[in-house]
Amino acid sequence: GEDVEQSLFLSVREGDSSVINCTYTDSSSTYLYWYKQEPGAGLQLLTYIFSNMDMKQDQRLTVLLNKKDKHLSLRIADTQTGDSAIYFCAGGSSNDYKLSFGAGTTVTVRA
Amino acid sequence: ETGVTQTPRHLVMGMTNKKSLKCEQHLGHNAMYWYKQSAKKPLELMFVYNFKEQTENNSVPSRFSPECPNSSHLFLHLHTLQPEDSALYLCASSQGLEGYNEQFFGPGTRLTVL
Repeated sequence: GEDVEQSLFLSVREGDSSVINCTYTDSSSTYLYWYKQEPGAGLQLLTYIFSNMDMKQDQRLTVLLNKKDKHLSLRIADTQTGDSAIYFCAGGSSNDYKLSFGAGTTVTVRA
Repeated sequence: ETGVTQTPRHLVMGMTNKKSLKCEQHLGHNAMYWYKQSAKKPLELMFVYNFKEQTENNSVPSRFSPECPNSSHLFLHLHTLQPEDSALYLCASSQGLEGYNEQFFGPGTRLTVL
C-alpha cells in the first residue's frame, strides 16, 4: 500500500489563500484526489489530477503535482468560512478501487 | 446530499450489545464499501461488495459482519465490540470497481463503544 502524508492543521484568515500539502510514496498512482469533509458529513470529491499532469485549475481551486518529489498541493484562493473542513488527499490507480488516504488536514478559517 | 444515506447517524453501545449499521444508495451503483475513520488517521477500507458479492475483507475482525442483500443496501452487523472500535463508519458506493469510478460517501455513523 501507499503511504500518504499531510500536515494535520492549517489556520488561514478569511480572504487569504490556503495551501494544503501532501506527499505520497507510490509513483504508480494514476489519479491523485482531494476530498473535503465538512462537520457531520461524509467525504466529498473536490477535484482530482491525472499523474501525467502538472497542474489543474477549477475556479478557486488549483492543484499542483510534482511527480519528481511526489508532492501534491491544493490551493484555495480567497478562502471563505465555508471552506473550513478536513481535506484529505488520496492516491489511486485506474484499474483498482483501492484508495490510499492521508490522515486529513483540518483547515480553520478565521475572520 | 450525495445519494448515499446511513442510519443511525450516532450510536452508543456496550461491549455486549449487538447492533447494525445501515447504508442505502440511490445512485444505481453496483459497488458498495465500508470504511472506518478514526481521528487523525487515514481512512481504512474494511469491506467491498460488487453486485452483492464480497470482493474485499481487509483483515477485519469477525466482530464486524457485513451483509449486502442487494446492490442498493449494505449493512454492518456489530457484536461484542471493543472500545477501540469507536470511530466514524463511512459507507460509499461507485458505479463499478475500476479506479476511474468516483466513490460517493454517506455522512457516516458515529459509533461509541463503552
